[in-house]
Amino acid sequence: DGGITQSPKYLFRKEGQNVTLSCEQNLNHDAMYWYRQDPGQGLRLIYYSQIVNDFQKGDIAEGYSVSREKKESFPLTVTSAQKNPTAFYLCASSIYRGAWTEAFFGQGTRLTVV
Amino acid sequence: AQSVTQLDSQVPVFEEAPVELRCNYSSSVSVYLFWYVQYPNQGLQLLLKYLSGSTLVKGINGFEAEFNKSQTSFHLRKPSVHISDTAEYFCAVSEGEAAGNKLTFGGGTRVLVKP
Repeated sequence: DGGITQSPKYLFRKEGQNVTLSCEQNLNHDAMYWYRQDPGQGLRLIYYSQIVNDFQKGDIAEGYSVSREKKESFPLTVTSAQKNPTAFYLCASSIYRGAWTEAFFGQGTRLTVV
Repeated sequence: AQSVTQLDSQVPVFEEAPVELRCNYSSSVSVYLFWYVQYPNQGLQLLLKYLSGSTLVKGINGFEAEFNKSQTSFHLRKPSVHISDTAEYFCAVSEGEAAGNKLTFGGGTRVLVKP
């Protein structure tokens, strides 16, 4: 089945540690996105990438880093510089067919700092 | 910069009653509009989208929405809800090619369907 796979589903991190969230898609989509979800605040964009080896900061990029070495993969690293990392993280992708289409979402990773 | 406002954070509704979720947006360019649904601890599923054409858009599970350009609104409606419609609903806008298809989301509306 085609789709977006995020792993792990739950992740616990000690303060001061970096942690990497995985996002893989087999939809052959061009663009990939990372959003952060906090209760009552909707989703906010962290980073996005429209093509391989290129990515742009979103609204809340501080304390995060990404890479796009392959079209199907867009991992997100939450660094120790992120002051409040506990949140639900969602990865998404979309395809360009003369115009951009809707975004498809993974099932999310819930990160908790302990 | 674009923004999205969902006017109701929570909407309680009885089973088989109609429901309307309100969404207003602001943008200086033409936009694409979306409604997504999220069940607990899951990702977002697309309900419907407006890209162009008819302003009345029909989606999955009996939902529909109407794009009103003059009022910059995209309200979501369902004539008769089921218990299974209990979820959180998000309105989102994209400026399309001009902005890499990034989505800006509203704060969400939590719908609780009561028997």
